[in-house]
Amino acid sequence: AQSVTQLDSQVPVFEEAPVELRCNYSSSVSVYLFWYVQYPNQGLQLLLKYLSGSTLVKGINGFEAEFNKSQTSFHLRKPSVHISDTAEYFCAVSVYNFNKFYFGSGTKLNVKP
Amino acid sequence: DTGVSQNPRHKITKRGQNVTFRCDPISEHNRLYWYRQTLGQGPEFLTYFQNEAQLEKSRLLSDRFSAERPKGSFSTLEIQRTEQGDSAMYLCASSPQRLSGNEQFFGPGTRLTVL
Repeated sequence: AQSVTQLDSQVPVFEEAPVELRCNYSSSVSVYLFWYVQYPNQGLQLLLKYLSGSTLVKGINGFEAEFNKSQTSFHLRKPSVHISDTAEYFCAVSVYNFNKFYFGSGTKLNVKP
Repeated sequence: DTGVSQNPRHKITKRGQNVTFRCDPISEHNRLYWYRQTLGQGPEFLTYFQNEAQLEKSRLLSDRFSAERPKGSFSTLEIQRTEQGDSAMYLCASSPQRLSGNEQFFGPGTRLTVL
């Protein structure tokens, strides 16, 4: 079975500071990895995904994530956050040839001025 | 707007009533998914359609829940005899049929409150 752990339920950070949101997964097979963002009263929007190839993937809004197979991690980073990045972020995995996603419990990023 | 749409956006009902939600996927996507998201949790998979065929159902989907996708276009999720524990956000997503690892495109969700 697959599972996703997001260790931090809330991350407060000041504007223009760097941020890292942590994601660890558990799977006995190869996985695809995703980060989604959810703004209040909206659906989930894809930030970035890792399918194969380079372990550093870049996404929208200046976010990037690094896949670490040995650590089974896929942490999300941004060098300088903005107030508009305040939202909830979800890490998700899917397994090759299966379609459903397994989501973490989410991390609420609160960017303060 | 050509994204995934869901109706209604909010539904308040009394315990024991039946409710039905609708999802309209992106038109060229033949895969459709339903998830449930409770407060403080990530979305949990409920069921998946490829065209009109329901290919997988989660154990979370009790016999009070039924989903359909007639003609492989829009989908409906019905909950019979609602319980307070059914209160949640119900999310619909769609994806095209390509190789595995496709992103899923999510709708805005239907928030259900059972009184």
